[in-house]
Amino acid sequence: AQSVTQLGSHVSVSEGALVLLRCNYSSSVPPYLFWYVQYPNQGLQLLLKYTSAATLVKGINGFEAEFKKSETSFHLTKPSAHMSDAAEYFCAVTLSGGYQKVTFGTGTKLQVIP
Amino acid sequence: NAGVTQTPKFQVLKTGQSMTLQCAQDMNHNSMYWYRQDPGMGLRLIYYSASEGTTDKGEVPNGYNVSRLNKREFSLRLESAAPSQTSVYFCASSELGQIKNQPQHFGDGTRLSIL
Repeated sequence: AQSVTQLGSHVSVSEGALVLLRCNYSSSVPPYLFWYVQYPNQGLQLLLKYTSAATLVKGINGFEAEFKKSETSFHLTKPSAHMSDAAEYFCAVTLSGGYQKVTFGTGTKLQVIP
Repeated sequence: NAGVTQTPKFQVLKTGQSMTLQCAQDMNHNSMYWYRQDPGMGLRLIYYSASEGTTDKGEVPNGYNVSRLNKREFSLRLESAAPSQTSVYFCASSELGQIKNQPQHFGDGTRLSIL
């Protein structure tokens, strides 16, 4: 079985500051990992995904995430927060190979302070 | 591009009533999903359909039924609504050949309240 834990249900950053959203995973086999973003009253959008190629994955809107096997982490970062980044972010995991469902974390709401 | 379209966007039901949530996608995707989103719980998979003609249970299927009407449409039915089914419901789709079971495109959700 696989799972993800998102540390911090709410994160606040100042506009222009570094964004760091934390995600740790648990998986019995090499995982595939994802970050999704949800804006108010909308569905989720895929930001980026890790599928065992490069460990540093770049996504849309300037976000990136680094897969660290030794730390079982897949934290999401952005060098400089913008007001439009205010949203809820979900980390998700599935197992590589086979036919496994995607498991979502509980989400982190990002507030950007002007 | 419409993408994934869900109807209705909002609905209020009384306990015991039935209703069907509709979902259609225009991207020719093979796989479709129904999730529910509850505060502090992330998204939980209710049912999914890997391809036209097949459906399978997800994490929380009790109290729900689904129909994959054709490649475009995947409906979710509540036969006898219960207050515990108050939630936001999302439909999603994905292409065959991508990572299996990874939803790629989501609708905007149906906000369902059961009194």
